Amino acid sequence: ETGVTQTPRHLVMGMTNKKSLKCEQHLGHNAMYWYKQSAKKPLELMFVYSLEERVENNSVPSRFSPECPNSSHLFLHLHTLQPEDSALYLCASSQDALAINLDTQYFGPGTRLTVL
Amino acid sequence: DAKTTQPPSMDCAEGRAANLPCNHSTISGNEYVYWYRQIHSQGPQYIIHGLKNNETNEMASLIITEDRKSSTLILPHATLRDTDVYYCIVRFRGGADGLTFGKGTHLIIQP
Repeated sequence: ETGVTQTPRHLVMGMTNKKSLKCEQHLGHNAMYWYKQSAKKPLELMFVYSLEERVENNSVPSRFSPECPNSSHLFLHLHTLQPEDSALYLCASSQDALAINLDTQYFGPGTRLTVL
Repeated sequence: DAKTTQPPSMDCAEGRAANLPCNHSTISGNEYVYWYRQIHSQGPQYIIHGLKNNETNEMASLIITEDRKSSTLILPHATLRDTDVYYCIVRFRGGADGLTFGKGTHLIIQP
């Protein structure tokens, strides 16, 4: 596979469930990102990882827990979510999050999450 | 990052060039202009970026005004598959931040 892949593509969960979203990039990049896109709202950055270290956390509630075991994989662990957390969750990667050189972020197809 | 302003929607006839404008009057000297497109319920797709000079790749051309306060994305010979939401973003090089997408322009290609 090439590019950035995300699984599952669709997820329905109850508020008491625990689930995980998975992202994998096959581009040899060193930085990975989680975004949330709610209906009719701009894309919101959630987390940034560079070389497996979290470098940014944009005031995201603790019910979202990211994990980056290596530079190719990124997880978003979900627990006790609320219905308002229903959204499209997008993963992206770029060559480097901290370099002065210009970076282009490549996005995965997203996971459509519905919280009942 | 500087704020951008785009028209909410535009129509273009199939086969014609689609010209999507973007205003970024508060852009600073080190900020680049990026363009992305997003198919409904899928991830944004990078199109092109530039700093000062006009840029062209296999997907599109980017025209940046001399004062850098506005730019135009040009899709030559638009097809029905170019119907999408297009986002104009300005940001600094690098940095540990993601891209902030506004509302974009919904481009509708008419047959």
